[in-house]
Amino acid sequence: QVQLQESGPGVVKPSETLSLTCTVSGGSINSFSYYWGWIRQPPGKGLEWIGDIYYNGGTSYNPSLKSRVTISVDTSKNHFSLQLTSVTAADTAVYYCARRSSAVDYNWFDPWGQGTLVSVSS
Amino acid sequence: EIVLTQSPATLSVSPGERATLSCRASQSVSSNLAWYQQKLGQAPRLLISGASTRATGIPARFSGTGSGTEFTLTISSLQSEDFAVYYCQQYDYWPPYTFGQGTKLQIK
Repeated sequence: QVQLQESGPGVVKPSETLSLTCTVSGGSINSFSYYWGWIRQPPGKGLEWIGDIYYNGGTSYNPSLKSRVTISVDTSKNHFSLQLTSVTAADTAVYYCARRSSAVDYNWFDPWGQGTLVSVSS
Repeated sequence: EIVLTQSPATLSVSPGERATLSCRASQSVSSNLAWYQQKLGQAPRLLISGASTRATGIPARFSGTGSGTEFTLTISSLQSEDFAVYYCQQYDYWPPYTFGQGTKLQIK
């Protein structure tokens, strides 16, 4: 079955750019059936949807983060990436990648990657 | 943005007993609601979609009901592995997709 795995630096300095990649295995990212997205969870807190991307590059972002977020896809490498600019301590979180269906009314998230903790610290 | 409010924040239940978790939406989300289970140090796992459809491999003791603004997740006979945090998520109106703040189910 499809598996997702996040990778990237565990520490980012304030005001810099957070960059993460999610590699998809067991299936192709080049599918019209799914969107590929990012969700984060600050330590001890709840879940926040960041945004997601379609295989053709179409994106959707959380309005609260839209000005700082870019999600991109590389179908040749079967992975997609997150960039979050101008980070602060409030961006410290476990970042998950996840898949959702592209069909209307089927937009739950499944499966999820294991998550990666990113700390913003100087 | 649709706000999901989960109650209670913490629920203490004995193994073998029934647990009832609630999720209320700030406006109707029809049946476009999912439930997830998150154990400590793990990613969330999909339990229920469409308010009441169990995901593949989810035991029958988990059931979801509701539509519109009021939803319930019931675990009929708690097993030790069920003690975790549970989140609801709406996918009716987006962006953004939103989650509830979670209910922690702990052993009494």
